[in-house]
Amino acid sequence: DAGVIQSPRHEVTEMGQEVTLRCKPISGHNSLFWYRQTMMRGLELLIYFNNNVPIDDSGMPEDRFSAKMPNASFSTLKIQPSEPRDSAVYFCASSPRGYTEAFFGQGTRLTVV
Amino acid sequence: DAKTTQPPSMDCAEGRAANLPCNHSTISGNEYVYWYRQIHSQGPQYIIHGLKNNETNEMASLIITEDRKSSTLILPHATLRDTAVYYCIVRLMEYGNKLVFGAGTILRVKS
Repeated sequence: DAGVIQSPRHEVTEMGQEVTLRCKPISGHNSLFWYRQTMMRGLELLIYFNNNVPIDDSGMPEDRFSAKMPNASFSTLKIQPSEPRDSAVYFCASSPRGYTEAFFGQGTRLTVV
Repeated sequence: DAKTTQPPSMDCAEGRAANLPCNHSTISGNEYVYWYRQIHSQGPQYIIHGLKNNETNEMASLIITEDRKSSTLILPHATLRDTAVYYCIVRLMEYGNKLVFGAGTILRVKS
């Protein structure tokens, strides 16, 4: 398996634009996590899904952020409208049912100018 | 999930053992101790986990005190490539439980 695949790896966008980050989890994994990492706040859990269902979205900073998981092999994190303070590295991770470890993607570095 | 306390940074000489401590005094009986690390600009990587017995794998050893209020991750022969941020996490190992990271310990391995 190629591991967790995130796209794009880098995204530069202007303030006010819509941004969509994508994640393909490892096949057969039932849990999916979205994280945001900044120097100031560290690694923050935004939302996580079990069997495609959002379980806890309390980490989503505000209504501008939304996440979906339409099927077991794909998830998106959308920011609309984007703001400079959303600049960060966004990680997606997946884990199998009854898991012992989570596998992380390489991240998407988002810059909002 | 119980909170953890780790030193913000540590240095270790290359080839020596790196011992990274973690305090988790409020851990409950069914919570596990997990360790992850994050090498610069990469996603976090799982290292090891344990409940109450000491654990060892190809990457590291995990020593958990008898009262389970603290633990130590041991990298037996640290290399420069082990320079990273190491996260100690305490959580329930049940289906779909969330994984929350703290600030971690920056380990610098020096030649």
